[in-house]
Amino acid sequence: DTEVTQTPKHLVMGMTNKKSLKCEQHMGHRAMYWYKQKAKKPPELMFVYSYEKLSINESVPSRFSPECPNSSLLNLHLHALQPEDSALYLCASSQDRARMNTEAFFGQGTRLTVV
Amino acid sequence: QKEVEQNSGPLSVPEGAIASLNCTYSDRGSQSFFWYRQYSGKSPELIMFIYSNGDKEDGRFTAQLNKASQYVSLLIRDSQPSDSATYLCAVNRWTSYDKVIFGPGTSLSVIP
Repeated sequence: DTEVTQTPKHLVMGMTNKKSLKCEQHMGHRAMYWYKQKAKKPPELMFVYSYEKLSINESVPSRFSPECPNSSLLNLHLHALQPEDSALYLCASSQDRARMNTEAFFGQGTRLTVV
Repeated sequence: QKEVEQNSGPLSVPEGAIASLNCTYSDRGSQSFFWYRQYSGKSPELIMFIYSNGDKEDGRFTAQLNKASQYVSLLIRDSQPSDSATYLCAVNRWTSYDKVIFGPGTSLSVIP
């Protein structure tokens, strides 16, 4: 199984809503990532979890709150988002932070629209 | 200077030709280099990675790395219309954590 599964695939939410994005992998990977990708732009790193601990927060606003309940799951909790937060949110995983083994597998993404 | 730069594109090649995609990076401490293909509206898909100077071939794809020149390229031989996509160059910059930096991408169009 070389899949990273993200749910939901599409999400429309209001600015006062609270929602969560979910990501799951069963490859035994110990590093998991959230990226944000706007149209015609490359993915931008948001958060990195390594061995279920948050190791990187790329100065992401607090309205985005990541959570790693276990080594296979990664959540992104959303609250009070702005329309400019509309984007494709990508989850990725890699075996670990070892120097020479950093190929990341991406999920299919959640396309988020904030209205 | 951006950390990872690519040809702005779009790049158009006829079917059957060789497509050449280029990428430069600024951090000499970069250790590993990746090429991702991304179809419109889809997530990136890893197609090649390279760690050592020289060439690495996989089917119709060849990645070339020159660390002295801080340059990595992707050649696609016998280009097919299905190769039409955006190609993202990504670089792992080892600091104290594992972080992959993406370039802006080059849009490739293979004309039948």
